[in-house]
Amino acid sequence: DTGVSQDPRHKITKRGQNVTFRCDPISEHNRLYWYRQTLGQGPEFLTYFQNEAQLEKSRLLSDRFSAERPKGSFSTLEIQRTEQGDSAMYLCASSQGVAGGNEQFFGPGTRLTVL
Amino acid sequence: SQKIEQNSEALNIQEGKTATLTCNYTNYSPAYLQWYRQDPGRGPVFLLLIRENEKEKRKERLKVTFDTTLKQSLFHITASQPADSATYLCAYYSGGYNKLIFGAGTRLAVHP
Repeated sequence: DTGVSQDPRHKITKRGQNVTFRCDPISEHNRLYWYRQTLGQGPEFLTYFQNEAQLEKSRLLSDRFSAERPKGSFSTLEIQRTEQGDSAMYLCASSQGVAGGNEQFFGPGTRLTVL
Repeated sequence: SQKIEQNSEALNIQEGKTATLTCNYTNYSPAYLQWYRQDPGRGPVFLLLIRENEKEKRKERLKVTFDTTLKQSLFHITASQPADSATYLCAYYSGGYNKLIFGAGTRLAVHP
């Protein structure tokens, strides 16, 4: 296991289309996070899973966004009816969940462009 | 609301000098601060974590300080090299370690 992987790396879509991104975390990590990053900004939290349970969602995550982590392994993030404002880098991260502010391991991201 | 601020302007320094980046936070007292490096088109990479009861942490050419009175962390790179050119992000966990709150990052450019 060489780290967190994300697929696809780039996605170009037309406004109104649905897109789905996949994240494969480091295998022994039970915590998985999704972030969104726009140019010149730091990553913004979207949602967090501990094992298969989605424990927190940001207000940024509108009804058009849904995330899953079946069986506590890989995760998917779906955006329905995409809008131009959804264009951003979508980052996935994982960590080993013990008490304390452990480091997060980030994937390379999926860059979404909505035309 | 919780805020974490970093110098938005790029920092340009000469190779061999020490780079110092600043991270200020408000409306929160984090137990830990983390620093990450991010290269263009890539995800952030963890560098250092410092706890509130630690004044200073070092790793090779990197040094981080944490002043809970000033609500500030400083990140130093000594003997900087062009390969250190990147964006550096500071972050802290908000409530229950469910999410990291990031600053906007400071872009560092080290010139030969």
